[in-house]
Amino acid sequence: GQNIDQPTEMTATEGAIVQINCTYQTSGFNGLFWYQQHAGEAPTFLSYNVLDGLEEKGRFSSFLSRSKGYSYLLLKELQMKDSASYLCAVLDSNYQLIWGAGTKLIIKP
Amino acid sequence: DTAVSQTPKYLVTQMGNDKSIKCEQNLGHDTMYWYKQDSKKFLKIMFSYNNKELIINETVPNRFSPKSPDKAHLNLHINSLELGDSAVYFCASSQGSSGVETQYFGPGTRLLVL
Repeated sequence: GQNIDQPTEMTATEGAIVQINCTYQTSGFNGLFWYQQHAGEAPTFLSYNVLDGLEEKGRFSSFLSRSKGYSYLLLKELQMKDSASYLCAVLDSNYQLIWGAGTKLIIKP
Repeated sequence: DTAVSQTPKYLVTQMGNDKSIKCEQNLGHDTMYWYKQDSKKFLKIMFSYNNKELIINETVPNRFSPKSPDKAHLNLHINSLELGDSAVYFCASSQGSSGVETQYFGPGTRLLVL
């Protein structure tokens, strides 16, 4: 079966750094997405990785290791508005997105 | 300007009723999707249309019937609603259907079946 694993919930402090991990087992791989979803709102795109390595975009970076079936989202200089769920999604061999349940990130002052 | 819009935002109804949810996108995208997000927050694809043609039809009860009158609209009709249909339904769109394109989501429709 296809499986995406992420921690259910994480807590971090404003101004700190947090790393949200995602491991996947899918039938094929055509890329991995990270989306942000604030409570009661729609998911919004953060990043797409298809090659190994780190991609940086402002305060957010996403890392991929295809051989390990692993990705992480790194958030720096955390702000209160970063409190949200972070969804990992993998594009399988049929180019269908398989979604994780998301990691709820709580930022404390 | 709202890129992907859905109506209604909230829908409370009785078991056995039939209801529709509408979705429109003004991004000029070719592909539209319906997702169901349950209480455990898993997003599950239900349907995908590319230029009005059905391209993804996951294992969904046939009580759910999508309709795409044109590529900017994808509506979802649900017959004989059941308690388990209670969830948030998201519409999304993307430029193409290869899967690598960013998907833009609507605000969601919160359906509660009593």
